[in-house]
Formats: sequence, C-alpha cells, structure tokens
Amino acid sequence: NAGVTQTPKFRVLKTGQSMTLLCAQDMNHEYMYWYRQDPGMGLRLIHYSVGEGTTAKGEVPDGYNVSRLKKQNFLLGLESAAPSQTSVYFCASSLRQRGAFFGQGTRLTVV
Amino acid sequence: DAKTTQPPSMDCAEGRAANLPCNHSTISGNEYVYWYRQIHSQGPQYIIHGLKNNETNEMASLIITEDRKSSTLILPHATLRDTAVYYCIVRVKNYGGSQGNLIFGKGTKLSVKP
Repeated sequence: NAGVTQTPKFRVLKTGQSMTLLCAQDMNHEYMYWYRQDPGMGLRLIHYSVGEGTTAKGEVPDGYNVSRLKKQNFLLGLESAAPSQTSVYFCASSLRQRGAFFGQGTRLTVV
Repeated sequence: DAKTTQPPSMDCAEGRAANLPCNHSTISGNEYVYWYRQIHSQGPQYIIHGLKNNETNEMASLIITEDRKSSTLILPHATLRDTAVYYCIVRVKNYGGSQGNLIFGKGTKLSVKP
C-alpha cells in the first residue's frame, strides 16, 4: 500500500519555467491538499479539493493552479516559476472523518 | 491564521513522559483538536484527535480540559525517535469547505535527550 506518492522528489527550475507536481493516493480518499513549507515555518495550504472535479483556494494560492480530473490524482502547476516559490511541497489526502496522510514532499528550487 | 498557541520548544529525557501543551481558547463547539508531528523534513504524521473526551491510541494520549480551551498531548515513554515538531490544530471534522482544512502553526519542537 503506497499511501500518498509525490512525483518528483527533487527539482531545480529556472525562473519563468513551468512544471507540474503530481500527487497520487491509493486509499480512495475524497479530500486532497497541497501545502508548501518554507524553512523554519509551518505548512501553508495552497489549494485543496473535496472531490473529483472540484478545487478551491487555500491560504497562499497565488502563482499556482491545480486540477483533480481523477479522484486518485491531484496536480499542482506552476505556470511561471519564481524564486519565491522555492520551497518543500507536501501533498495530503484524507477521508472526511479521519486524519490526513501526507506524502514525503517535493523539494523545489527556483534559480 | 492558526487558532492554537504552543511553546516553541521543549526538552524531554528519554524514557520519561513528554507532555506537550496547546492553548485553543477560541475553539468552537464543532471543532476538534488534532495533533500531528513532523520528523526532520518528512511529511507530517497524524497522531491523534479528540472533541471533548480524553483519547488514547498506540502512539499517544490526548487530554482536553473540561472547558476545551486547552489540551495536552502525552507521549508516555519518549524515545529518541520521538524528536520532532509537534503541531496542534483545531478544525471542523465534518468539513465540506474551508473550515475543515488543516491550518498549521509553527508547532513545538520536542527534543528527546538520552
């Protein structure tokens, strides 16, 4: 049982480049989330989804887009990467009534 | 903004109980208290949650005061592997909107020492 899998684990981008982070969960969870974590900080919610085909903005959505075309996948896109988006990105999923399961993170550096 | 207040750091001797406090004085009647921890730079790990009764599982115990304005996470026999940042979060359990999101504060960095 893989749980929550994030792809890729590491990435270096140049300013202005675009990329997509993939989150996949095999637990049939309804809810999925994308967070970012900067050094010495707690996690901040970027976007979330309460079901297939639905997404909503979190605390820090600017510069990011998301899609949930399939229940098991939640994609986070950066259209034009900026150095301020250098961070560790965590995906999570949960059933309505339970605690969330997190992936191991994607470490993104924008130069 | 996070709705909880936690001390930034705590130390605990290996083998002793670690008691991590959390204040949530503005908690609403339909909000639960959740605890997560993050070891080094790994993804956060769910520990336990509760509404008003004390809860226990294989990882920890959660003690919530009668007025629900504060709680304590107890690790009964701390080990070196329990060194982590511990987050206390309040959220609506039956969420269909933003009230149910997990909003993280800065947590408490627990250092378990030999």
